[in-house]
Amino acid sequence: GAVVSQHPSRVICKSGTSVKIECRSLDFQATTMFWYRQFPKQSLMLMATSNEGSKATYEQGVEKDKFLINHASLTLSTLTVTSAHPEDSSFYICSARGDGPYEQYFGPGTRLTVT
Amino acid sequence: QQQVKQSPQSLIVQKGGISIINCAYENTAFDYFPWYQQFPGKGPALLIAIRPDVSEKKEGRFTISFNKSAKQFSLHIMDSQPGDSATYFCAANYATYKYIFGTGTRLKVLA
Repeated sequence: GAVVSQHPSRVICKSGTSVKIECRSLDFQATTMFWYRQFPKQSLMLMATSNEGSKATYEQGVEKDKFLINHASLTLSTLTVTSAHPEDSSFYICSARGDGPYEQYFGPGTRLTVT
Repeated sequence: QQQVKQSPQSLIVQKGGISIINCAYENTAFDYFPWYQQFPGKGPALLIAIRPDVSEKKEGRFTISFNKSAKQFSLHIMDSQPGDSATYFCAANYATYKYIFGTGTRLKVLA
């Protein structure tokens, strides 16, 4: 149980275009999901907290207009990178909150490359 | 204060040996310390976790040692196997469901 999927696993897009990444909780309902960014050989940095039915909460320094988050259902959150640039190239990982006070289940990640 | 310092950055261990990864923190408000294992191109997976009121937790070949007074905790992998080769992250809970992650340790276990 507690499986989180992401789609796509890899995406290449041209500079200036927008890309949508989906995060799904497959066998449980996730009222809260999280989006992280990971640069090569670096740690995970929390970008935003996504709450079902409400606006996302962004961490300091993250551009909310660039990284649009929508949590439309209890099993799906989406991250849209708008007007992508090469510096947005990164590994994006989502996670979903579990039932326990500290439980968090990570997705497999999406590798975004902006050319 | 919102930092978790992890060392070493990389580690090479012979098969059957013990792998030890260390983390240190400053913020005494952290109240939950998980370790994650990440394989290339995959998301992190929870390996083992500990609360600060416990000094040691063991699950199979994996043990967390926690020193509250020193604000340090470590992961020990006993009888290390080539399949353990991955990047390991320590983390600390600083708010509800929010974690600060260490910088990662790339472990390679030689066959």
